[in-house]
Amino acid sequence: AQKITQTQPGMFVQEKEAVTLDCTYDTSDQSYGLFWYKQPSSGEMIFLIYQGSYDEQNATEGRYSLNFQKARKSANLVISASQLGDSAMYFCAILPRGLGAQKLVFGQGTRLTINP
Amino acid sequence: DTGVSQDPRHKITKRGQNVTFRCDPISEHNRLYWYRQTLGQGPEFLTYFQNEAQLEKSRLLSDRFSAERPKGSFSTLEIQRTEQGDSAMYLCASSLGTARYGYTFGSGTRLTVV
Repeated sequence: AQKITQTQPGMFVQEKEAVTLDCTYDTSDQSYGLFWYKQPSSGEMIFLIYQGSYDEQNATEGRYSLNFQKARKSANLVISASQLGDSAMYFCAILPRGLGAQKLVFGQGTRLTINP
Repeated sequence: DTGVSQDPRHKITKRGQNVTFRCDPISEHNRLYWYRQTLGQGPEFLTYFQNEAQLEKSRLLSDRFSAERPKGSFSTLEIQRTEQGDSAMYLCASSLGTARYGYTFGSGTRLTVV
């Protein structure tokens, strides 16, 4: 079974500062993908960034980067130069890539609030 | 078709009534997923289709829940004899099966059972 742990229920950050959202995972699979999604108050889950378990470099997508530490089973999301529009819930998720394993498993999320 | 569409966006129903939700995935996506999200929690997997075949169902999906995906296109999720505990956001997602891009989610249907 897979499990995602997000230990920060809420984070408050000043606009333009960088923020790190923590994510640790537990899986017995050797091959898996890690994802971060943003969920604004409208409810839609918006894909932000992906990291494959065999990717040697940390993933980056614009202001988002993923600090992947495989030995520690952590996949923290770093948002640089935060903006007011970054205020939302953020979910870390894992997708095992073994045979028959098809579903994303999500953590409980972190609510990020950006203060002006 | 630029995204996953869900209808309705909001549904208020009385306990004991049946409700049905619809999801239209991205047209070229062969996989479709239903998730449930209660307040303050992450989404929880309910069921998954590849084309028209329902390949996996969560234990969360009691006998009162049924999902279909006729002809491998849109999907419906029906809840019979609704209970207050069914109140949640029901999210639909679709994918091509390529892990790198994860799933594309719809905006969800928020169900309130009164």
